[in-house]
Amino acid sequence: DGGITQSPKYLFRKEGQNVTLSCEQNLNHDAMYWYRQDPGQGLRLIYYSQIVNDFQKGDIAEGYSVSREKKESFPLTVTSAQKNPTAFYLCASSTDFSYEQYFGPGTRLTVT
Amino acid sequence: DAKTTQPNSMESNEEEPVHLPCNHSTISGTDYIHWYRQLPSQGPEYVIHGLTSNVNNRMASLAIAEDRKSSTLILHRATLRDAAVYYCILSPTVNSGNTPLVFGKGTRLSVIA
Repeated sequence: DGGITQSPKYLFRKEGQNVTLSCEQNLNHDAMYWYRQDPGQGLRLIYYSQIVNDFQKGDIAEGYSVSREKKESFPLTVTSAQKNPTAFYLCASSTDFSYEQYFGPGTRLTVT
Repeated sequence: DAKTTQPNSMESNEEEPVHLPCNHSTISGTDYIHWYRQLPSQGPEYVIHGLTSNVNNRMASLAIAEDRKSSTLILHRATLRDAAVYYCILSPTVNSGNTPLVFGKGTRLSVIA
């Protein structure tokens, strides 16, 4: 089955720790994205990547970092510099920006 | 970036049609209109998209105004499983380095049994 996997579904961390969220796709998509969603809000773009070894900041990149060493993988690191990291994180991929985006099931991160 | 305006929430009775409106008065001639929906605690899923003509698929229909400044997502018979947040989004037809899809707050659809 083709799709996007995110792990883990729920993640708990102490304040001050960096944490890396996994995103893998086997759809052979070039573009991948990370979004953040807070309760009752829409999705906000953190980072996106159009091709391997290249990525761009989205609207709220501060406190986050990404890498794109393989086409299939686009991990997101939430650093200790992110002031309010508790949120629902969604990864997506698409053939390119104009095409349908496929979303993963999301990771709910709680930092205390 | 061309923006969209949607009502915050709408309510429908089960088994009745639902018309979800979206205004996009600054749409450019090459922007696609996309609709996604997000069920509770899940990632969004694609519903439908169109450019100028009305579109139908197994999930919904998309009616696009002649001037393209507004569109309407039509669910022909709402079910309880259609309760979700529906997002109307514009995207360019050609990937020329533009930023990807921008998701607003969408419309929260409640379906009453």
